[in-house]
Amino acid sequence: DADVTQTPRNRITKTGKRIMLECSQTKGHDRMYWYRQDPGLGLRLIYYSFDVKDINKGEISDGYSVSRQAQAKFSLSLESAIPNQTALYFCATSDFGAGGLNTQYFGPGTRLTVL
Amino acid sequence: AQSVTQLGSHVSVSEGALVLLRCNYSSSVPPYLFWYVQYPNQGLQLLLKYTSAATLVKGINGFEAEFKKSETSFHLTKPSAHMSDAAEYFCAVSLSGGSNYKLTFGKGTLLTVNP
Repeated sequence: DADVTQTPRNRITKTGKRIMLECSQTKGHDRMYWYRQDPGLGLRLIYYSFDVKDINKGEISDGYSVSRQAQAKFSLSLESAIPNQTALYFCATSDFGAGGLNTQYFGPGTRLTVL
Repeated sequence: AQSVTQLGSHVSVSEGALVLLRCNYSSSVPPYLFWYVQYPNQGLQLLLKYTSAATLVKGINGFEAEFKKSETSFHLTKPSAHMSDAAEYFCAVSLSGGSNYKLTFGKGTLLTVNP
């Protein structure tokens, strides 16, 4: 089984709808992240969480919210989806290594289309 | 602060030819550097990482990268390209020390391998 799983893998929705993307991990890592990927822009950080009680905004958090339900689960919500949120979304996890080494491991991604 | 520049959004090589994907970084403190690969319709997979233990880092699938502080570079190479290497490659940097979390990605280089 994959260490980091994301559901759904693909989703098509309409403008104004509320959408939740889910991420689960079996790596036992404390840190979890949500990124979006757009062609030609690389990956940009939306939110990150160091543990269940520690959630922080990334560089592009507007229009998104998150919930850390447990150490292993981290959900991303779009309260009212808009077309420019059409993108590939990735969840990632990491532990905190010596010297601050922060190797991140990624899920397979969720392709979201907002019409 | 940290940043990454990947030179060339698209690189095309013939099967059996040398692969060279360029990455330059900017970092205020000694960095950690990573290369990730994304195969079509998949998530990001860690290829290799530089953690200051050795300047020449060997990764999976025959790839390696050399950290050159004087050139602020971390270029990825493979002596002989295989068709299965066709993918998008991302260079990423994070800072050493402290409670670091941020992984900054380049915009990616799409590698095409021609028969």
